[in-house]
Amino acid sequence: SQQGEEDPQALSIQEGENATMNCSYKTSINNLQWYRQNSGRGLVHLILIRSNEREKHSGRLRVTLDTSKKSSSLLITASRAADTASYFCATDNNDYKLSFGAGTTVTVRA
Amino acid sequence: EAGVTQFPSHSVIEKGQTVTLRCDPISGHDNLYWYRRVMGKEIKFLLHFVKESKQDESGMPNNRFLAERTGGTYSTLKVQPAELEDSGVYFCASSQKGPYEQYFGPGTRLTVT
Repeated sequence: SQQGEEDPQALSIQEGENATMNCSYKTSINNLQWYRQNSGRGLVHLILIRSNEREKHSGRLRVTLDTSKKSSSLLITASRAADTASYFCATDNNDYKLSFGAGTTVTVRA
Repeated sequence: EAGVTQFPSHSVIEKGQTVTLRCDPISGHDNLYWYRRVMGKEIKFLLHFVKESKQDESGMPNNRFLAERTGGTYSTLKVQPAELEDSGVYFCASSQKGPYEQYFGPGTRLTVT
């Protein structure tokens, strides 16, 4: 069954604006990972946050994790056209297999 | 360092035919995974190899799917016979020891007509 669910399903923003998407999950996790998929290409690993971490940064990306609410958010600051992609959260329950959500499609308008 | 590679990038076959997908993981990665995304739905786990051994194949949909990883290097996923509902994108991923970051290949888009 689907573990992660992203919200919103689609997001359209102007270049330079920030984009925020959320992920909710159902069971306890070992870690949560965010991936990006550009059209027609593979999944690119963006960031991993462990269950004992609350916030993590990587460049223009900021990820938060609230295990009490079973939710995570991904913030992309100062968006660029190249950020146009689908973003997926994936949870790892310490059994190696990742459970993905349906993804958030982000469109950055020039 | 070369990433995960998959071949072919796209395959179009007729219902009832056989298709074999190949995945070459990142060198030195013992863990290899297969996932697929069908009809725009979420990406779902198929199976997990540790070296040449199947660690978890709980996500394999039925016995028409056969995965192998001879010698613990590359892996193949065979679909025989293919059905219409098998259409989708098949991803392969690999990781080092432990449930750490999984690095994905570009995927193989399978179209069954």
